[in-house]
Amino acid sequence: NAGVTQTPKFQVLKTGQSMTLQCAQDMNHEYMSWYRQDPGMGLRLIHYSVGAGITDQGEVPNGYNVSRSTTEDFPLRLLSAAPSQTSVYFCASSSKPGQGAGGANVLTFGAGSRLTVL
Amino acid sequence: AQSVAQPEDQVNVAEGNPLTVKCTYSVSGNPYLFWYVQYPNRGLQFLLKYITGDNLVKGSYGFEAEFNKSQTSFHLKKPSALVSDSALYFCAVRDGGYSTLTFGKGTMLLVSP
Repeated sequence: NAGVTQTPKFQVLKTGQSMTLQCAQDMNHEYMSWYRQDPGMGLRLIHYSVGAGITDQGEVPNGYNVSRSTTEDFPLRLLSAAPSQTSVYFCASSSKPGQGAGGANVLTFGAGSRLTVL
Repeated sequence: AQSVAQPEDQVNVAEGNPLTVKCTYSVSGNPYLFWYVQYPNRGLQFLLKYITGDNLVKGSYGFEAEFNKSQTSFHLKKPSALVSDSALYFCAVRDGGYSTLTFGKGTMLLVSP
């Protein structure tokens, strides 16, 4: 089992460029999410999805778009990159809250994607 | 709304000594509580969770956590620290009525030989 796979691992962008961070999971998880990790800020939720065709905003959604056309994939799009989006991005997935393991949605994380915007 | 506070940016402990990493939470409903660990340049790994039942929860690598409802705390503990425990630790909470996890800012644990 590959778990959660994120690509690319590293990316450097110029201000104004667009790009997509890819996330794929092979665990048939319904719930998927994107977090960003910044020093002293912990992990902050960007967007999440509770199933194919359903997405919602998290704490810091501005400047990012997501879509969920399949259960396996949950790409994160940066529309016009800004230096403030320099961060490490993590994708995570779990079974649907309320199902399995006593209702606890234990997240499985990808290895992360380090993005630098110049 | 749900929130988590980790009051210590860093905890230093000598190898072999007990360790505690503190976490307090705020939810409006019943809390689901989690601890995750992050080693350098890696993603987060699940350590343990509290859903219901016994207030003392045992997890991976000899870690345990104590749920205290009156103090709204969920401190992570280990009786004897190892140098290899040095990492960044995150507490997280999910209010039973929500689908998302909220993470604390993280506490760096440094275990000296």
